[in-house]
Amino acid sequence: GAGVSQTPSNKVTEKGKYVELRCDPISGHTALYWYRQSLGQGPEFLIYFQGTGAADDSGLPNDRFFAVRPEGSVSTLKIQRTERGDSAVYLCASSLNGGLAGGTDTQYFGPGTRLTVL
Amino acid sequence: KQEVTQIPAALSVPEGENLVLNCSFTDSAIYNLQWFRQDPGKGLTSLLLIQSSQREQTSGRLNASLDKSSGRSTLYIAASQPGDSATYLCAVRDGYTGNQFYFGTGTSLTVIP
Repeated sequence: GAGVSQTPSNKVTEKGKYVELRCDPISGHTALYWYRQSLGQGPEFLIYFQGTGAADDSGLPNDRFFAVRPEGSVSTLKIQRTERGDSAVYLCASSLNGGLAGGTDTQYFGPGTRLTVL
Repeated sequence: KQEVTQIPAALSVPEGENLVLNCSFTDSAIYNLQWFRQDPGKGLTSLLLIQSSQREQTSGRLNASLDKSSGRSTLYIAASQPGDSATYLCAVRDGYTGNQFYFGTGTSLTVIP
């Protein structure tokens, strides 16, 4: 079956521009996670959705970052007024359940979107 | 805040060797621990998941152990193969809410034919 997909695979933008990154999770997965991975580092948690709602957005670095999941499936990560420090690979993952109910659930990761801010 | 450390940062071994990767975490209140593999330019693939109440999990040539009280996990790879070359990441799931996952910086493994 289809895995987690992310589009675009690469995005180059200029400082100050607005970008949207899309994640299509595995069908039926209620939990969706966004991470940011800088070179040589492990993924850093950004936000977790349970269904349509953001259950935990404590990892978003500042108010330039925002994410939505309006129908409980596809999610979009939005970055306003991009800065060079936003350059990283943005990873999306989904799992069948979330929170403590999903303790045995494996996270399935997409291939990521490489964002470069010039 | 939970901190996850992986040692060594890089490892190079000849084919056929058995090897151990280490992961340590600072807060023992975890829900589970997962080991992932990441290939260049790719996403993460889950290898093993150990619940906080478990001591180890095995899958094929891989064996992961967990000592929650001491904040440590090891990933043992038997009879390494060139195809095992990748970055290995461990992640702990926050035991308070289950919402967040904290990743280490990974161990880059190269298996030389």
